[in-house]
Amino acid sequence: DTGVSQNPRHKITKRGQNVTFRCDPISEHNRLYWYRQTLGQGPEFLTYFQNEAQLEKSRLLSDRFSAERPKGSFSTLEIQRTEQGDSAMYLCASSPYAGTRYEQYFGPGTRLTVT
Amino acid sequence: AQTVTQSQPEMSVQEAETVTLSCTYDTSESDYYLFWYKQPPSRQMILVIRQEAYKQQNATENRFSVNFQKAAKSFSLKISDSQLGDAAMYFCASQGGSEKLVFGKGTKLTVNP
Repeated sequence: DTGVSQNPRHKITKRGQNVTFRCDPISEHNRLYWYRQTLGQGPEFLTYFQNEAQLEKSRLLSDRFSAERPKGSFSTLEIQRTEQGDSAMYLCASSPYAGTRYEQYFGPGTRLTVT
Repeated sequence: AQTVTQSQPEMSVQEAETVTLSCTYDTSESDYYLFWYKQPPSRQMILVIRQEAYKQQNATENRFSVNFQKAAKSFSLKISDSQLGDAAMYFCASQGGSEKLVFGKGTKLTVNP
């Protein structure tokens, strides 16, 4: 399968712990996006990369959140000192080119539960 | 800022019938794109159909078509000959100069056999 992959698929953690999620985009896609989806809502944009450069960050991305894409391939999203409000599905997407005309391909998501 | 509103939290349709899902949006941008995404239960989101705002012709993809009313900022999705596999959450989304997608809250579609 050459689609977008995300690991882990599920993560349960205790409040105050740090968690890290990984996203592997489709090969040669240079754009990578992170979204967060809470229950009953549509996905909300968090941040995106072109290759290794982080081009835009949402105000939703507090200083407890950090995202990296060190070699322009896979990306990690880390949440420090997790809070119950961080419980959500974290979605990753990639697209092959810059600009708005190209489809964003989504991964299956990582479901985070903070207890 | 862009906003997307889906006013129908749930819809149902009989198999083989036609259903229309509503979406309204607001944007200050002159160049933008509109999308319908499908999210089946426990499966990843996939693109159903895309519409470029500068195109007057409504987009179609097999059984899926849109009714794009630019002046009214309306972008509805019509599913013809509904199939059981069409059951899913459907999200309307817009994309302007920034590459981020702005999504509505979604409509849950049930297809009854």
